[in-house]
Amino acid sequence: DQQVKQNSPSLSVQEGRISILNCDYTNSMFDYFLWYKKYPAEGPTFLISISSIKDKNEDGRFTVFLNKSAKHLSLHIVPSQPGDSAVYFCAASVYSGAGSYQLTFGKGTKLSVIP
Amino acid sequence: DGGITQSPKYLFRKEGQNVTLSCEQNLNHDAMYWYRQDPGQGLRLIYYSQIVNDFQKGDIAEGYSVSREKKESFPLTVTSAQKNPTAFYLCASRVRGMNTEAFFGQGTRLTVV
Repeated sequence: DQQVKQNSPSLSVQEGRISILNCDYTNSMFDYFLWYKKYPAEGPTFLISISSIKDKNEDGRFTVFLNKSAKHLSLHIVPSQPGDSAVYFCAASVYSGAGSYQLTFGKGTKLSVIP
Repeated sequence: DGGITQSPKYLFRKEGQNVTLSCEQNLNHDAMYWYRQDPGQGLRLIYYSQIVNDFQKGDIAEGYSVSREKKESFPLTVTSAQKNPTAFYLCASRVRGMNTEAFFGQGTRLTVV
């Protein structure tokens, strides 16, 4: 049973426009959410995160929005640049006991920014 | 520079052989994780460890084993019992006991030939 879902496997956006990547989750115990960017044959790199007590977090061109009632979060990239082309993973964190937090990842969305 | 080092980057194994993937970190993190990535499957948790000499199974631990004898090192052994070992393996570490980001290594691509 997939607890973190990224329903769009791919997204194409024109350079300079906004990219919106979506993520839904089912476990209401998740209390911290992260976005990672990944290039082929490399490890994911952390982009931005948001705590469940907030509904928005912004870092430069990247903004993450959290809607707890809908169990939905989104990543906005404005303006999109060709270098943003990569796979983006949504991840959610939950306390699993004994000082341990587990990260659960979605399947990823491949973003292509067209020059 | 602090970070996580996985080696080797590419690894080939014959069927029926065990193979060990290395993961070393100098971030002073207590928590370490192993994930597996398959096309269209995202990242799936194999094993994780919160402290030295302790580790727990993740969602897909069958056919894998780990050890955590040192804080800096968390090697993963892919055994011959793993039915479909060809995949991209990622090691990560994280500060224990709080919600923070995890840092990933560059990954190891394992191919069974």
